[in-house]
Amino acid sequence: DVKVTQSSRYLVKRTGEKVFLECVQDMDHENMFWYRQDPGLGLRLIYFSYDVKMKEKGDIPEGYSVSREKKERFSLILESASTNQTSMYLCASRVAGTGGNQPQHFGDGTRLSIL
Amino acid sequence: AQSVTQLGSHVSVSEGALVLLRCNYSSSVPPYLFWYVQYPNQGLQLLLKYTSAATLVKGINGFEAEFKKSETSFHLTKPSAHMSDAAEYFCAVTETGGFKTIFGAGTRLFVKA
Repeated sequence: DVKVTQSSRYLVKRTGEKVFLECVQDMDHENMFWYRQDPGLGLRLIYFSYDVKMKEKGDIPEGYSVSREKKERFSLILESASTNQTSMYLCASRVAGTGGNQPQHFGDGTRLSIL
Repeated sequence: AQSVTQLGSHVSVSEGALVLLRCNYSSSVPPYLFWYVQYPNQGLQLLLKYTSAATLVKGINGFEAEFKKSETSFHLTKPSAHMSDAAEYFCAVTETGGFKTIFGAGTRLFVKA
C-alpha cells in the first residue's frame, strides 16, 4: 500500500513565524500535491509538483512556497504565517504519465493553528 | 473551467436505508471521476473511480456509482447504510489528459441507529 506521511498531525504557531510542513511518500510517485481543506470549501490546491525540483502554482498559492529536492519529499512553507492560514493541510501523491486517470493517495493531514 | 457540485452538505439516513450522495460535474468531454471518503482525523481514501470503461462502477465497502453522460452526473449509492459509513464524502474530477483534480465541497453522511 502507498504510504503518505505528514510529519505533524497538529501544529500551533504564532503569527509571523516561518512554518514548514513536511510530506514523505514511499511509492516512488512523480506527482505530489498540497491542499488546504476548509469546511464547506472542499479541497483547494495550493501547489503541485510534476517531479523532483519541479513545482507549479495551484489555485491559492499566495503566502505559500514549496520545495521538492528529493522525489519522496514535498515540503510546504508558510513564509510568514497569518491567522487566515489556520486550516487542515493535506498532502497527496500520484503516479505520473496516466493522463489524470489515477487516484491520489493522501496523508492523514496536519491541522495547523496560527495564533 | 471544470467544476464539481455536490448537492447537500449534510445527508442523514437510518441504518439499513439506501444511501444516495449526488455529484454533478461541468464538462463537455467525459472526464475521469472519483469518489473519496474521509473519516474523522484522517486523509481521503479512494472509494471508486470512473475512467471510461463500464458506466456502473463498484467500489469498496459496498458503494457504487453510475456515470450518466446525459445528466453529467456521478451519484454514489449504497443499498444499506451501516453505522461505519458515517464520514465525509468527496466527488472529484480530472479532465481527460489533464493534471489537476477538482474536488467538490463534500457531503457529510450521518447514519442513525
